[in-house]
Amino acid sequence: DADVTQTPRNRITKTGKRIMLECSQTKGHDRMYWYRQDPGLGLRLIYYSFDVKDINKGEISDGYSVSRQAQAKFSLSLESAIPNQTALYFCATSDTGRTGREGYTFGSGTRLTVV
Amino acid sequence: KQEVTQIPAALSVPEGENLVLNCSFTDSAIYNLQWFRQDPGKGLTSLLLIQSSQREQTSGRLNASLDKSSGRSTLYIAASQPGDSATYLCAVRHGGGYQKVTFGTGTKLQVIP
Repeated sequence: DADVTQTPRNRITKTGKRIMLECSQTKGHDRMYWYRQDPGLGLRLIYYSFDVKDINKGEISDGYSVSRQAQAKFSLSLESAIPNQTALYFCATSDTGRTGREGYTFGSGTRLTVV
Repeated sequence: KQEVTQIPAALSVPEGENLVLNCSFTDSAIYNLQWFRQDPGKGLTSLLLIQSSQREQTSGRLNASLDKSSGRSTLYIAASQPGDSATYLCAVRHGGGYQKVTFGTGTKLQVIP
């Protein structure tokens, strides 16, 4: 099994629909992240969480919400999807960074299309 | 503000050639630098991580170096193969309590058989 698992892998949804992307990890990391990737714009941080009770907005949080259900689970919701949220979404985990030894581990991504 | 630049944006080489990918960053106060590979429409796979106290890391045909003082890292790929074709991204971990990561926009590599 992958260290970081995202579901679904692909999703097509209609404008205005609510959709949830899920992420689970077996790395044992406290820190989890949601990124979106768009051609030419690189990776942009949506939300990040340092533990179950610590959730923070990233660069582009408008239109998104998250839930950290457990140390291993972090879900991303689009409350009312719009076409410009069409993108590749990634979940990632990391260690605390104090030792600088582990770095980031990414899931395989969810390709979301909003029509 | 940390800025991470990868030049060139795209590179095409014949199979068997040795090549170097570049990553530059503006703030030398980093914790580590990580190189990733991304195949089209796929996730990021970690290739190498260099801690701030290290100068280089090696894995198979890959060698990554880090020069903090000049704000540069290079990824050396020996004897390139068509299967190496992908986009390569570097990511710099830096900053205070949050230890933010800034990603480069990547170099798209094509190895021609």
